[in-house]
Amino acid sequence: AQSVAQPEDQVNVAEGNPLTVKCTYSVSGNPYLFWYVQYPNRGLQFLLKYITGDNLVKGSYGFEAEFNKSQTSFHLKKPSALVSDSALYFCAVRQNSGNTPLVFGKGTRLSVIA
Amino acid sequence: SQTIHQWPATLVQPVGSPLSLECTVEGTSNPNLYWYRQAAGRGLQLLFYSVGIGQISSEVPQNLSASRPQDRQFILSSKKLLLSDSGFYLCAWSVRTSGRYNEQFFGPGTRLTVL
Repeated sequence: AQSVAQPEDQVNVAEGNPLTVKCTYSVSGNPYLFWYVQYPNRGLQFLLKYITGDNLVKGSYGFEAEFNKSQTSFHLKKPSALVSDSALYFCAVRQNSGNTPLVFGKGTRLSVIA
Repeated sequence: SQTIHQWPATLVQPVGSPLSLECTVEGTSNPNLYWYRQAAGRGLQLLFYSVGIGQISSEVPQNLSASRPQDRQFILSSKKLLLSDSGFYLCAWSVRTSGRYNEQFFGPGTRLTVL
């Protein structure tokens, strides 16, 4: 069965510093991986996805993610954090076919401190 | 462009009362539709998903049910609410193809408090 792990409940980073939110996955076959962000009392917003090709995927709001097949990881990164990046971040993986729902991690709360 | 609506935005209901939450999608046809529940601002629990009118898959046995009376309408219901039904309910849609790369797009959510 497909699964996603986000090992950190909370990540704190100073404004202007680089940030990393970790995600590891377990799937059979090729992984299709996604990152979402959720602001308080809002729905999830799609940030980026990895399908195939270049291991570094660029997405919205300056975020990027690096796919590492050997480590089964898909960490979310940003070179310089903003206070407005403070939110809840979810990693997700698609299981089996396009008509099945994404499997989400439990989420990581990012706090960027001014 | 595609838009997903949910209503109501907030709801306070007594234990034992019925529930009906509605989700509609505009700007696309034949979408896959999903209902999630999020408790205490954390992880997402998939409740139901649908690949077509009248086709509902239930992921968690509980006192909730879902229906899809029209192609772009997805309804979450309960006959008698429990305290444990409180949470943030999210509807989502995705393009219905065989591609595993299709992302899901989420609605704004409904905050349900059961007292």
